[in-house]
Amino acid sequence: EIVLTQSAGTLSLSPGERATLSCRASQSISDSYLAWYQQKPGQAPRLLIYGASSRATGIPDRFSGSGSGTDFTLTISRLEPEDFAVYYCHQYYTSSFTFGGGTKVEIK
Amino acid sequence: QVQLVQSGAEVKRPGASVKVSCKASGYTFSSYYIHWVRQAPGQGFEWMGTINPSSGGTSYAQRFQGRVTMTRDTSTSTVYMEVISLRSEDTALYYCARRRPADPFDIWGQGTMVTVSS
Repeated sequence: EIVLTQSAGTLSLSPGERATLSCRASQSISDSYLAWYQQKPGQAPRLLIYGASSRATGIPDRFSGSGSGTDFTLTISRLEPEDFAVYYCHQYYTSSFTFGGGTKVEIK
Repeated sequence: QVQLVQSGAEVKRPGASVKVSCKASGYTFSSYYIHWVRQAPGQGFEWMGTINPSSGGTSYAQRFQGRVTMTRDTSTSTVYMEVISLRSEDTALYYCARRRPADPFDIWGQGTMVTVSS
């Protein structure tokens, strides 16, 4: 099973700041089958990024993804009030789908 | 619009079983596999298994083998997941989500809270 580690449990940032979230895999994820989700309290996860760097339909361009192999990054260029939430990375390279533990982006 | 609508919250005793439904609409039911993922309170996500709505074929995570059964009703575009022999550790929010091969889970249901308590 591929273990995904999101090292930062919480990021405390102000609106307008840049957020950089990391996700490290225990083994290489070929073809970048890595996605990022946003989850707000009481809501289902929302797909932001797939294929490590492709934005899902309707996702603002302030969200971007990068990385390959075992190291991946989600960047929010300028935080809007609605961006404060929990973010999860997810690998769909193997059929034992796994998720990272999440990074909470909170208002400083 | 494309959506997955799940059944309501359940409270069960240890040892009981629960059956959760997930009704698809707004797209061709047979074109996407349906997966089940659960999230225990304050915890991360755990993949449980998947069903092919077209064939009814299933695949379960090893730790749920023998305790989880997924079925579908093509006439109503609904998928069901039954969990038997419930224990307190099964208390979680259960989500269904759709996926095509080589794609991530793109649409999720709203979640069904299952509470197991004596």
